[in-house]
Amino acid sequence: AQSVTQLGSHVSVSEGALVLLRCNYSSSVPPYLFWYVQYPNQGLQLLLKYTSAATLVKGINGFEAEFKKSETSFHLTKPSAHMSDAAEYFCAVRINTGTASKLTFGTGTRLQVTL
Amino acid sequence: DGGITQSPKYLFRKEGQNVTLSCEQNLNHDAMYWYRQDPGQGLRLIYYSQIVNDFQKGDIAEGYSVSREKKESFPLTVTSAQKNPTAFYLCASSQHDRGGYTFGSGTRLTVV
Repeated sequence: AQSVTQLGSHVSVSEGALVLLRCNYSSSVPPYLFWYVQYPNQGLQLLLKYTSAATLVKGINGFEAEFKKSETSFHLTKPSAHMSDAAEYFCAVRINTGTASKLTFGTGTRLQVTL
Repeated sequence: DGGITQSPKYLFRKEGQNVTLSCEQNLNHDAMYWYRQDPGQGLRLIYYSQIVNDFQKGDIAEGYSVSREKKESFPLTVTSAQKNPTAFYLCASSQHDRGGYTFGSGTRLTVV
């Protein structure tokens, strides 16, 4: 069965520092992978997605992620953190089973950005 | 603009009462989903529907019910059988392709 594991429920970085949020996946078939961001009391917003095209995927707000099959990873990065990046981030894998297609989410990583 | 509308944003329920959360989308998406979010547990799938008049149970369907009478609407009823209903509920929709989901802004349900 497909699943994702997010390493680290909380990550704290200084403003201007590199952001690295880790996600590893488990899938028996080529996966579709996603990163979402959630601000307090709001829904989830799609940051970026990997759908078997380029392995380096660029998303909104300066984020990007690299699909590494050999490491079964899809880590999210941003070169320079901004205070507005403070939020919860979810990695997800899409399961396609015939006509059914569902996203399975990781447990989330809360990003704190300090001055 | 197209999107998903969830209402109400905040909902209070007395123990023993049923309550219905609304979810409407104008994206012409075929599939719709309900997730429950609790702190530290991520999102857990309650029900999903791939087509009108059809829906399937997710991982935590007990104590919940849904209907899909129209393509645009997928209401969720939290019944009195749900023992711990206080949570943040998220509705989403998607097409049958490689894309992700579009989410509503959520409903926070509190049992008082």
